[in-house]
Amino acid sequence: SQQGEEDPQALSIQEGENATMNCSYKTSINNLQWYRQNSGRGLVHLILIRSNEREKHSGRLRVTLDTSKKSSSLLITASRAADTASYFCATEGQAGTALIFGKGTTLSVSS
Amino acid sequence: EPEVTQTPSHQVTQMGQEVILRCVPISNHLYFYWYRQILGQKVEFLVSFYNNEISEKSEIFDDQFSVERPDGSNFTLKIRSTKLEDSAMYFCASSLTSGRAGEQFFGPGTRLTVL
Repeated sequence: SQQGEEDPQALSIQEGENATMNCSYKTSINNLQWYRQNSGRGLVHLILIRSNEREKHSGRLRVTLDTSKKSSSLLITASRAADTASYFCATEGQAGTALIFGKGTTLSVSS
Repeated sequence: EPEVTQTPSHQVTQMGQEVILRCVPISNHLYFYWYRQILGQKVEFLVSFYNNEISEKSEIFDDQFSVERPDGSNFTLKIRSTKLEDSAMYFCASSLTSGRAGEQFFGPGTRLTVL
């Protein structure tokens, strides 16, 4: 399958530090999307990076994509306590419309 | 900002009963999706819907499941005869397009509890 798999599974940092989460997948993709989920809540779309893009920024978020390594990273700079959540990567394959999600990274930012 | 809405937020039902989960996608979006997340597990794709028909479905989406767009705004997921293992958070999503630009926006979810 083309599952996205994140690492680390859990990350604990102090406010102001940067958080980096990685995602790997297995097959060719149209795009890769990152989502945030607060405990027991819905999925909030953060950023989409297309297969022909290498880097994208949105506010304090920076996403990279390396299609040769089938991997992506999400960097959150100057983290805040409100960034505490689970972060998921999801890939859309070239064959279809389904998003395939990874297991997520649980980020804990302490003040 | 437009958003996907879902009702109810929580549904409790008895095993074997039928449930209908409702979603209102973002108004100009053309692609609609259902996903589910069993507690503590990954978000799993169920089905996508475009131009009034299913465009893709997963192995989970068996004959017990059906989707419908009964009017110009609602998108529903029906589970015909619920099982205990159907207990999960069900998310509806929509996108304007698919492929390289297909950002999928998710609703807040319906928590389904089957007793």
